Amino acid sequence: DVKVTQSSRYLVKRTGEKVFLECVQDMDHENMFWYRQDPGLGLRLIYFSYDVKMKEKGDIPEGYSVSREKKERFSLILESASTNQTSMYLCASRATRGAHQPQHFGDGTRLSIL
Amino acid sequence: AQKITQTQPGMFVQEKEAVTLDCTYDTSDPSYGLFWYKQPSSGEMIFLIYQGSYDQQNATEGRYSLNFQKARKSANLVISASQLGDSAMYFCAMREAPNSGGYQKVTFGTGTKLQVIP
Repeated sequence: DVKVTQSSRYLVKRTGEKVFLECVQDMDHENMFWYRQDPGLGLRLIYFSYDVKMKEKGDIPEGYSVSREKKERFSLILESASTNQTSMYLCASRATRGAHQPQHFGDGTRLSIL
Repeated sequence: AQKITQTQPGMFVQEKEAVTLDCTYDTSDPSYGLFWYKQPSSGEMIFLIYQGSYDQQNATEGRYSLNFQKARKSANLVISASQLGDSAMYFCAMREAPNSGGYQKVTFGTGTKLQVIP
């Protein structure tokens, strides 16, 4: 079974802090994703990476950056946290071979910015 | 523009009855795929079923089936014989055709909260 592990289930940070959310997958997947989930808005794509050191902006990249130095790890960085970044963050990975391949998700990180 | 639309924020269904969750999509690509995921209150996202745009048959997986109407651009999820454990958020998602870098973007709808009543 694919395992996607997010470093924290719950996180509380202060406004202005630099915040790192870590995600590790164990299936050698090329594609990795960061979403945020807010009530009534579904999952919105922040950034994705289709290979090591490769990244592209999703639909809501403002205020975020990412890092993918190793294939198994994809980090989301909040450069200067703000209260409107309080949300549930979901990491996912996906194999590129096979159109039917679903995304595999971590358990999520519920981030509160005070 | 909204690419995936789920118009039902919440639904109730009686235990053992069937329920249909609506999903419409918008794309001009001939090649795409549609996914349904379940998210229980515990938060994990569980993959349920997949339908490719070129698949001739509607997808089925156990009690889940996908009512795929290509001309109407709809991909509704049908859950038969609902169980209490089916109470969850359900998300429809669309995988688009690869871009020049080979990346296939996946877009999610806003979800439908299903509650199964005993």
